[in-house]
Amino acid sequence: GDSVTQMEGPVTLSEEAFLTINCTYTATGYPSLFWYVQYPGEGLQLLLKATKADDKGSNKGFEATYRKETTSFHLEKGSVQVSDSAVYFCALRRGAQKLVFGQGTRLTINP
Amino acid sequence: DAMVIQNPRYQVTQFGKPVTLSCSQTLNHNVMYWYQQKSSQAPKLLFHYYDKDFNNEADTPDNFQSRRPNTSFCFLDIRSPGLGDAAMYLCATSRARISSGGAEQFFGPGTRLTVL
Repeated sequence: GDSVTQMEGPVTLSEEAFLTINCTYTATGYPSLFWYVQYPGEGLQLLLKATKADDKGSNKGFEATYRKETTSFHLEKGSVQVSDSAVYFCALRRGAQKLVFGQGTRLTINP
Repeated sequence: DAMVIQNPRYQVTQFGKPVTLSCSQTLNHNVMYWYQQKSSQAPKLLFHYYDKDFNNEADTPDNFQSRRPNTSFCFLDIRSPGLGDAAMYLCATSRARISSGGAEQFFGPGTRLTVL
């Protein structure tokens, strides 16, 4: 079945550091790929998405590129802020409405 | 602003005492979802409604039921909560699927359920 694997957390960085959170997936066909962010005590918010190979999703300085050849959708940001501290979920959806989530990566940014 | 609203944000119930969580949306979306999220885990889909069509996940316990009286509202009923049902419950909505790419899901803030 479809699955998503994220790098294990927690990840702790200093402010202005470069961020990468790895995400790889297993699915047949051409799934849509998503990154969701969950701030403490809140629900999930869509951060960015890509619906076909080589698409780049971007938002709030975060980027991820849909790489079909490596089945990856790694999240990157050039300079993180304390306010980026949250849990990040990679997810896919193939055709049907059901989202398949990775296990989440907790990110902490220190001043 | 169009949004997904969940009430209450925090709910405390007693072991075995029925509890209902509510979700409303102003997005006029066809599809509404309920997820269960336990601490430090990914959300787990319990069921969803496509308009009035109810779709239950195969591993959702019978203890969990749902109602959707109209487009805007959806309820999660836990008939006899156990200690293991303590979790964050997330409601989400999306438009009907119009392509293989699917439509974005919009999440509410969640209701944190405590079972004593």
